[in-house]
Amino acid sequence: QSALTQPASVSGSPGQSITISCTGTSSDVGGYDYVSWYRLRPGKAPKLVIYDVAKRSSETSARFSGSKSGTTASLTISGLQAEDEADYYCCSFAGTATGWVFGGGTKLTV
Amino acid sequence: QVQLVESGGGVVQPGGSLRLSCAASGFSLTTYGMHWVRLAPGKGLEWVAFIHYNGDDKYVADSVKGRFTISRDTSQNTLYLQVNSLRLEDTAMYFCAKDDSVGTYQLQSWGQGTLVTVSS
Repeated sequence: QSALTQPASVSGSPGQSITISCTGTSSDVGGYDYVSWYRLRPGKAPKLVIYDVAKRSSETSARFSGSKSGTTASLTISGLQAEDEADYYCCSFAGTATGWVFGGGTKLTV
Repeated sequence: QVQLVESGGGVVQPGGSLRLSCAASGFSLTTYGMHWVRLAPGKGLEWVAFIHYNGDDKYVADSVKGRFTISRDTSQNTLYLQVNSLRLEDTAMYFCAKDDSVGTYQLQSWGQGTLVTVSS
């Protein structure tokens, strides 16, 4: 069982918006503004999408945005495109005793 | 540009050991922190270990504590993960990743991974 909880799958049509949630605890998501999101495509290296809750990586489209409320972080993708189809993982720093924790991943189908 | 190339994976019996390597280029390991993360078949990403840019501070996930050791050779600019007492559930693709700079917590750049298969 992953430390952070994500929905197993989400889907949307091209042009629509979707949101992926990532629920943790006060020891990880709720305790630090160090939530990041990664995209994983089969056979490819993971790619950083969002960091520090809401900052976009230099290569990330403005269609991607991140937010956090309490112990739940969210990734929103607007104007869905076929190329967005992938697995998305959230990650949070959880202190020096625990390190980093990932969510179980969400499969996005466009 | 930043490049991370993992190697050292393979098929090993339960209880066996391997040393995974991550050759870094385009930056110095003395300037950036480095992680190991794994992806088991049918499962999600799991953070495994981190070594601070100073080389002294190291964090390891509870699931592998006492069995896995992270280290580096700055003369070779190479990161290592010594994996001992391997279990079936350690079967996974192992990725190395670098952070962005001191005081940052995201895994900025990743390698392509090396596959470890634990099987009798």
